[in-house]
Amino acid sequence: KAGVTQTPRYLIKTRGQQVTLSCSPISGHRSVSWYQQTPGQGLQFLFEYFSETQRNKGNFPGRFSGRQFSNSRSEMNVSTLELGDSALYLCASSPGAAGGNTGELFFGEGSRLTVL
Amino acid sequence: KNQVEQSPQSLIILEGKNCTLQCNYTVSPFSNLRWYKQDTGRGPVSLTIMTFSENTKSNGRYTATLDADTKQSSLHITASQLSDSASYICVVSAWGTNAGKSTFGDGTTLTVKP
Repeated sequence: KAGVTQTPRYLIKTRGQQVTLSCSPISGHRSVSWYQQTPGQGLQFLFEYFSETQRNKGNFPGRFSGRQFSNSRSEMNVSTLELGDSALYLCASSPGAAGGNTGELFFGEGSRLTVL
Repeated sequence: KNQVEQSPQSLIILEGKNCTLQCNYTVSPFSNLRWYKQDTGRGPVSLTIMTFSENTKSNGRYTATLDADTKQSSLHITASQLSDSASYICVVSAWGTNAGKSTFGDGTTLTVKP
């Protein structure tokens, strides 16, 4: 079974630009969640999508947005990039049962964004 | 407020030695606790997942324990290897909370030296 695939793995942008990252979950998984990880910091939850609907949202500004398609693939977008947005962006998928499930998350390898 | 605290923040040990990482949580109502291993620049990989009724769970040289009464968990690594050098993240979920919005600890960075 293929794992979670994130593209691109690395990218460099300049301040003010926007970026779109893609995540293909494990086949059959309906939940996709996104995280930001900066050097020396823990994983910060961005948002979670389930069946094309945003189910949970973290404390990030509106410049960070996402969506999920009918095939469960997800994209996240960051507009008006700032230097502080440089980070490893991780996507995780899970079967997505109702709250109280085993909670197992399967992570992709991440997209490393550098903002110059 | 749900919180997960891990200690120590970083740890250096010699190859072959054992070590124990700690995780204290205040997540309620508790559903499950997971330990992940994250190699530098890679995505986290699950080591163990424990529910309320489980006290101990092993995965090779990794053994996790859970004390639901004191809300503490530990991850014990036996006979460490250089490849154990990584960040170890404790993640706790509450009932009624979707997996994606679990509470993450900041991780313990383990360095194993030859």
